[in-house]
Order: sequence, then C-alpha cells, then structure tokens
Amino acid sequence: AAGVIQSPRHLIKEKRETATLKCYPIPRHDTVYWYQQGPGQDPQFLISFYEKMQSDKGSIPDRFSAQQFSDYHSELNMSSLELGDSALYFCASSQNSRLAGKASADTQYFGPGTRLTVL
Amino acid sequence: DAKTTQPPSMDCAEGRAANLPCNHSTISGNEYVYWYRQIHSQGPQYIIHGLKNNETNEMASLIITEDRKSSTLILPHATLRDTAVYYCIVKPGNEKLTFGTGTRLTIIP
Repeated sequence: AAGVIQSPRHLIKEKRETATLKCYPIPRHDTVYWYQQGPGQDPQFLISFYEKMQSDKGSIPDRFSAQQFSDYHSELNMSSLELGDSALYFCASSQNSRLAGKASADTQYFGPGTRLTVL
Repeated sequence: DAKTTQPPSMDCAEGRAANLPCNHSTISGNEYVYWYRQIHSQGPQYIIHGLKNNETNEMASLIITEDRKSSTLILPHATLRDTAVYYCIVKPGNEKLTFGTGTRLTIIP
C-alpha cells in the first residue's frame, strides 16, 4: 500500500538560510499534519491542513509557514533557520469524514520524516 | 484532550505477550484511544485505536475498561522488532496527536 512520502529525507542548512520540506499524502487523504521532534524529545504538533485550508495550529514559529496544494501535497517553509530548528520533521496524513454531530475516528499515518540539520 | 499516564519503561521476554497499560481517567465520550509506536527515529507507526469496545488487528489487541478510564495494549508474541516507544493518545477524531512521554518497551532475547 502507498505510504506518506517526504522529501528530502536529509537536509543540511546554515543558520539564517531557508528550507522547504515536502509531504505527499496517501492517495485520497485530504488532511495533512506536520510534527517536529527535537533530539531526545517526543513529537510536537506544528500545523495541519484540511482541504487546503489551515485547520489547526500548534507551536509553530512565525518563521515557519506551510500550505496544502490542490493535489493535497503540503510544503513546510522555514526561514531564518536557527540551530534549534535541527530536528526530525514528520508529516502525517489522514482521510477525514467530518460528519457534523458525530464522533469520527481519523487515523493518521506518518511518513519517514526529514532530518534537518542546521549548522 | 484527555491526559494519559503510562509507565516510562517496561521489559518483556521475547515470545511472551507484552501488556502495556495506559490510564486516561478524564477521557470524554467523544474521545478515542489511539496507540502508536516509534522505533528509533522512524516515523510513528499506527497500531490500533478504539472507542468503547475491545479491538484486535494483525498487530495487537486493545482492551478498554468498561468505564473507559484505562486501557491495555497487548502484543501477543513480542519479537525483538517490537522494541520501541509506545504512545497512548486520547483524542477526538480529526484532531492533532498530542504525544506524551510514552512507554519505552524493551524486548529481551
């Protein structure tokens, strides 16, 4: 079965540079989530998109922005990189059935991650 | 989202059943119990989820108490490849995952 694809898998940048991470969700998935995992830490939610609209926002720095495109892939843009941005960045996708008034389960499937190193 | 409590670490002998507990006493009626695991620096892997009833799939079984305040993930025949950090997460559908510190499960040969 097709999985979530992330590119690049590894990225090395200098301080103050910019980086773009890409995420290609599982086919027919309409929701994308971004998570950041620092060294020795647990994954932390950054931002999510449903049907190309931002659906939720976590502790994402103002230097970061993201969007979801018409083909549902998503890009995380990171500017003015800092040493502390060095982390694993995971993308997850899900297929949501947003039935009003009903509790619906969505299962998020994660990609392999992008390891960003800022020097 | 409801808070969960898991033991920080557990050991299990290879070939035995691994039983991972999770307390979620403040769970709401519309919140599901999800289990994910992360094998060193890989993307978190979905294992199983449930609302009220016990669930079983090819990876594991999920036992949820009748009052829904706790649950147990069961890996029936643990192998060395099951060594990972296991996360119990309680949330409504269609929302972000909030990872706690999880349980570091070590399978011992």
